[in-house]
Amino acid sequence: GAGVSQTPSNKVTEKGKYVELRCDPISGHTALYWYRQSLGQGPEFLIYFQGTGAADDSGLPNDRFFAVRPEGSVSTLKIQRTERGDSAVYLCASSRTGGQSEQYFGPGTRLTVT
Amino acid sequence: GNSVTQMEGPVTLSEEAFLTINCTYTATGYPSLFWYVQYPGEGLQLLLKATKADDKGSNKGFEATYRKETTSFHLEKGSVQVSDSAVYFCALTKAAGNKLTFGGGTRVLVKP
Repeated sequence: GAGVSQTPSNKVTEKGKYVELRCDPISGHTALYWYRQSLGQGPEFLIYFQGTGAADDSGLPNDRFFAVRPEGSVSTLKIQRTERGDSAVYLCASSRTGGQSEQYFGPGTRLTVT
Repeated sequence: GNSVTQMEGPVTLSEEAFLTINCTYTATGYPSLFWYVQYPGEGLQLLLKATKADDKGSNKGFEATYRKETTSFHLEKGSVQVSDSAVYFCALTKAAGNKLTFGGGTRVLVKP
């Protein structure tokens, strides 16, 4: 079956602009995660959804970052007033139930803020 | 808080050599431990996992044993192939949790 997909694969934006990154999880997976991976580092947790609600948003770095999952499937990560330090690969993962079930990762969106 | 430390790379090996990548963790309670692999141009994939002390995870010739006494989860493979060239990430989740905490990754390059 189809895996986790993310669009766009690459996004270049100017400092101060608003961006949206989309994640389509595996069908039927109730849990969805966003991570951020800076160059040469491991992924860092941003936010976790169980169904439509954010169960843990402790990794969001500041209030410029926001994510939604209105129907419990597709999720959008929104970044306002982008800064050069936001440049990274944004990864999405989904799992069947959350908890200890395996997380399946998408290919990521590479965001570059100029 | 939780953290994972793994050896820095790159690690360069010849084909059929023995590979070890060290990983140690800091966490309260009893985390689950994972190794993920990222092949060139591909997304992160789960390689193996262990959910309790003394468990051994294994897959594709790779093994790692959950050592609570040394808070370690070292990855080993007895005979590497060129196709094992990738970046390897050690990670943990808390027992009742969900978010993964990753180490910094170790790049492995296997030469023919």
